[in-house]
Amino acid sequence: AQSVTQPDIHITVSEGASLELRCNYSYGATPYLFWYVQSPGQGLQLLLKYFSGDTLVQGIKGFEAEFKRSQSSFNLRKPSVHWSDAAEYFCAVGAPGYSSASKIIFGSGTRLSIRP
Amino acid sequence: KAGVTQTPRYLIKTRGQQVTLSCSPISGHRSVSWYQQTPGQGLQFLFEYFSETQRNKGNFPGRFSGRQFSNSRSEMNVSTLELGDSALYLCASSQGLAAQETQYFGPGTRLLVL
Repeated sequence: AQSVTQPDIHITVSEGASLELRCNYSYGATPYLFWYVQSPGQGLQLLLKYFSGDTLVQGIKGFEAEFKRSQSSFNLRKPSVHWSDAAEYFCAVGAPGYSSASKIIFGSGTRLSIRP
Repeated sequence: KAGVTQTPRYLIKTRGQQVTLSCSPISGHRSVSWYQQTPGQGLQFLFEYFSETQRNKGNFPGRFSGRQFSNSRSEMNVSTLELGDSALYLCASSQGLAAQETQYFGPGTRLLVL
């Protein structure tokens, strides 16, 4: 079974600074990988996803993530954060070959605060 | 295209009562999944429906049940509510069942059990 770890519970960065949110996974093969964002009082919105191919994935809102097989990581990055990026970010890992949302495991989330 | 809608948005119940939550998926989406989100346990999978059939269920007691209608709208029911059922209940829809399908989440129903 797959698992996912987000080591940072809470991160604070200054507006305009760069951002990197960490995600580590455990799976026997290359999993499906996702990053979601949840703003207060809202559901989750997909930022980007990786299934195969180019290991650098571009997403919405200026985010990107890089799949590193050797490190079992899928870190989320943004070169310059905006105050509106303050939210909770979830990394998720899915099992290829399974046709079910039940095979998608979500990390515990990283709460991002933006310092003015 | 309208997004996923969930009703009601907020709910307060007392222990022992039952509750029904509703989810309307994006038009054309046939798969609906439900999740429970709590600060302690995070996002946990409840069930998944496709074409009116429950395809998978997470590790929750039988008090949690659901169904899907022919128009893909879904309801979940929790009977004999416990304090620990207080949570944000999220519904997500996708076109199909595959794990790589993009899930679109609704805003959730926040349930408080007193």
